Amino acid sequence: DAKTTQPNSMESNEEEPVHLPCNHSTISGTDYIHWYRQLPSQGPEYVIHGLTSNVNNRMASLAIAEDRKSSTLILHRATLRDAAVYYCILREGVKGAQKLVFGQGTRLTINP
Amino acid sequence: DVKVTQSSRYLVKRTGEKVFLECVQDMDHENMFWYRQDPGLGLRLIYFSYDVKMKEKGDIPEGYSVSREKKERFSLILESASTNQTSMYLCATGIVGGYTEAFFGQGTRLTVV
Repeated sequence: DAKTTQPNSMESNEEEPVHLPCNHSTISGTDYIHWYRQLPSQGPEYVIHGLTSNVNNRMASLAIAEDRKSSTLILHRATLRDAAVYYCILREGVKGAQKLVFGQGTRLTINP
Repeated sequence: DVKVTQSSRYLVKRTGEKVFLECVQDMDHENMFWYRQDPGLGLRLIYFSYDVKMKEKGDIPEGYSVSREKKERFSLILESASTNQTSMYLCATGIVGGYTEAFFGQGTRLTVV
């Protein structure tokens, strides 16, 4: 199974950009890169995903390296509500369930 | 909006009891998953199902079984609950395809005493 590596924790200040890195050196050509976050006392929620090109949505941006062995989740202007554990996940499997395999994630702290 | 509903938010059961955790989704998704989450261990996959009556073991299936008789409902069964099964249990759903997102329920915090 392809694995991801993330820093255990990061800290940032409110209203500043945050760059959350993820390494996935064993990614296969058909794996999509997904990001989820988990707020305290809640289930994980989807943030963004991509395959090769950079992606933007209302929550964040995803920058994917050209060799696809790493990616960065970008929160353009962090708020206190962005404090959560962020998981970088490879959605594996060519067919069938494409199960989500979670690593330890990055605990993001936002300072007011 | 997709809804993934877990039957209980908090549950307390006795050792040896048979426990059913229910998950219902309203979006006609083929894939359904059960995870448990423990401090320091993260989310670990117990079982998943990609169709009615189909199931596959995840990383930690021991002590658990599942049932999927209808597409919208995926049940996790603890045949004989033990204290080491005290945990947060999370259900997730999604359609087939790594290019789509998964949706999670709010979780059931199970305590076995």
